[in-house]
Amino acid sequence: KAGVTQTPRYLIKTRGQQVTLSCSPISGHRSVSWYQQTPGQGLQFLFEYFSETQRNKGNFPGRFSGRQFSNSRSEMNVSTLELGDSALYLCASRSAGGRYAEAFFGQGTRLTVV
Amino acid sequence: GIQVEQSPPDLILQEGANSTLRCNFSDSVNNLQWFHQNPWGQLINLFYIPSGTKQNGRLSATTVATERYSLLYISSSQTTDSGVYFCAVERKSSGDKLTFGTGTRLAVRP
Repeated sequence: KAGVTQTPRYLIKTRGQQVTLSCSPISGHRSVSWYQQTPGQGLQFLFEYFSETQRNKGNFPGRFSGRQFSNSRSEMNVSTLELGDSALYLCASRSAGGRYAEAFFGQGTRLTVV
Repeated sequence: GIQVEQSPPDLILQEGANSTLRCNFSDSVNNLQWFHQNPWGQLINLFYIPSGTKQNGRLSATTVATERYSLLYISSSQTTDSGVYFCAVERKSSGDKLTFGTGTRLAVRP
């Protein structure tokens, strides 16, 4: 059974640009969550999608957005990139119900903003 | 929000030694997971353990939910155990998000 797949693995972007990251969950999993990891703030929750609906959102500015497709694949978008957006972005998938189920993470996308 | 504290923040061991990592949390939880972050950044699942005790090879974990702490035991450590260990919890009212501790950075010397 394939794990959680995130693409691309690495990205370098310029300040002011936008970026889209992709996450394909484990087959059969309908819940996808996104997390940002930085040395200063640690691992922080961005948002969670279940059946194409955002169920929860963390404390991030509106420049961070996401969506989920009918096949449960999810994308997150960051517009008007800032240097502080440089981070490892991790995606997690959970089984059908989502809540309180075991979360499995992808390998992450490492974003560098220059 | 819920607070998650991990100790110690850093740990250096000689290969073959045993260690105990601790995770304290400030509220009742419905989910608790231990992860090992490898050098490439991926979070590897170690245990899903909202309560009770589990063992997997040289690793074991215990969560005492009523006292709001969890312990991760590593026995006969190997250099491949090096990395950062995270505890993450999910509170019933937190709505589908994991709150992570700040991690324990483990270095195992040959």
